[in-house]
Amino acid sequence: EAQVTQNPRYLITVTGKKLTVTCSQNMNHEYMSWYRQDPGLGLRQIYYSMNVEVTDKGDVPEGYKVSRKEKRNFPLILESPSPNQTSLYFCASSLLGQNEAFFGQGTRLTVV
Amino acid sequence: GNSVTQMEGPVTLSEEAFLTINCTYTATGYPSLFWYVQYPGEGLQLLLKATKADDKGSNKGFEATYRKETTSFHLEKGSVQVSDSAVYFCALSDRAAGNQFYFGTGTSLTVIP
Repeated sequence: EAQVTQNPRYLITVTGKKLTVTCSQNMNHEYMSWYRQDPGLGLRQIYYSMNVEVTDKGDVPEGYKVSRKEKRNFPLILESPSPNQTSLYFCASSLLGQNEAFFGQGTRLTVV
Repeated sequence: GNSVTQMEGPVTLSEEAFLTINCTYTATGYPSLFWYVQYPGEGLQLLLKATKADDKGSNKGFEATYRKETTSFHLEKGSVQVSDSAVYFCALSDRAAGNQFYFGTGTSLTVIP
């Protein structure tokens, strides 16, 4: 089954403790991206990657890192999480040149 | 630049009522337009899309027509069901800007029996 898988689904952590949210897709998509969803703001793009070893900032990249060492994986790294990063995070993938994006189930992160 | 503006929610309707959720956009190129739906506790699922002007996307009784002259992509359904309760996002993707999506803020719909 074609899918985008994120882990974990729920995470509560403390300020400053490094964490990684994983994202994996099995559709051989070149393009992968991370979004955060906040009430009243919709989804905002954090980072994206157009292929292996090619990443770039989205609209709200501060406080986040990503890597793309393999085509299928695109982890989101928070080196020193802060409470303002409490949010619902979505990973998405698509074929380059094809507009339709496939989304993961989401990761609800709470930073206390 | 690219942006999407959609109708503020929340929207509450009785079962079998007519639904319209307004969406307008600005784009520098020739975008494709989408409606995504998010059911409680789940990720976003593509509901329908239109890739060029005057295209009509449809799925599950929902429809939206790509109107270039009014830069709109309003979502409609003739008779909503309780199972349609969800958050609906209008979005655009402009190939000139890579594969980046621009989302509206989402409209929460609750359908009551």
